[in-house]
Amino acid sequence: EAGVAQSPRYKIIEKRQSVAFWCNPISGHATLYWYQQILGQGPKLLIQFQNNGVVDDSQLPKDRFSAERLKGVDSTLKIQPAKLEDSAVYLCASSLDGVHTDTQYFGPGTRLTVL
Amino acid sequence: GNSVTQMEGPVTLSEEAFLTINCTYTATGYPSLFWYVQYPGEGLQLLLKATKADDKGSNKGFEATYRKETTSFHLEKGSVQVSDSAVYFCALPLSGGYNKLIFGAGTRLAVHP
Repeated sequence: EAGVAQSPRYKIIEKRQSVAFWCNPISGHATLYWYQQILGQGPKLLIQFQNNGVVDDSQLPKDRFSAERLKGVDSTLKIQPAKLEDSAVYLCASSLDGVHTDTQYFGPGTRLTVL
Repeated sequence: GNSVTQMEGPVTLSEEAFLTINCTYTATGYPSLFWYVQYPGEGLQLLLKATKADDKGSNKGFEATYRKETTSFHLEKGSVQVSDSAVYFCALPLSGGYNKLIFGAGTRLAVHP
């Protein structure tokens, strides 16, 4: 079974530029999550999708971050414009069923450096 | 709401030493509890979980027991290997459903030969 795929693995940009990350979840998984992991901290949930609808985006800085899940499968997370404090690893995860407590499977992450 | 507190690292051990990483939580009810591991340069992987009080999760020689009396879920391994060097995260669902996890800050383990 293929795991969660993410690209790119690394990205370096200057502040005020824009950037986009892509995620392909495990086939058949209804729920997709984007996390932000700042160095030395645990992951923090940014947004959760159930199929192609948003379940929770309360921690997403909506003035600069946006996310969509195309046809309930792939997802993209965009930052525009980026700030220095956005430097982090962005993790995508998926689970079979987001309603009940269910194992989340994580991708390798995208390490973003904002200069 | 639910929260989790994890012992700070780094933890440095010699190979074959005994490992304990402490995790305590506050929660409404009895949610499932998880340990995730993050190897260098990789995403998180589920290491083990326990779904109800007194359950013991185990995997790859690691164990953790869900103790409601002490609200703890400490991670243990009897004999660590160099390959266990990683960051370990304790996690539980946020209250309110929808499988939203809250993670501890992580504990870095370094095992030396």
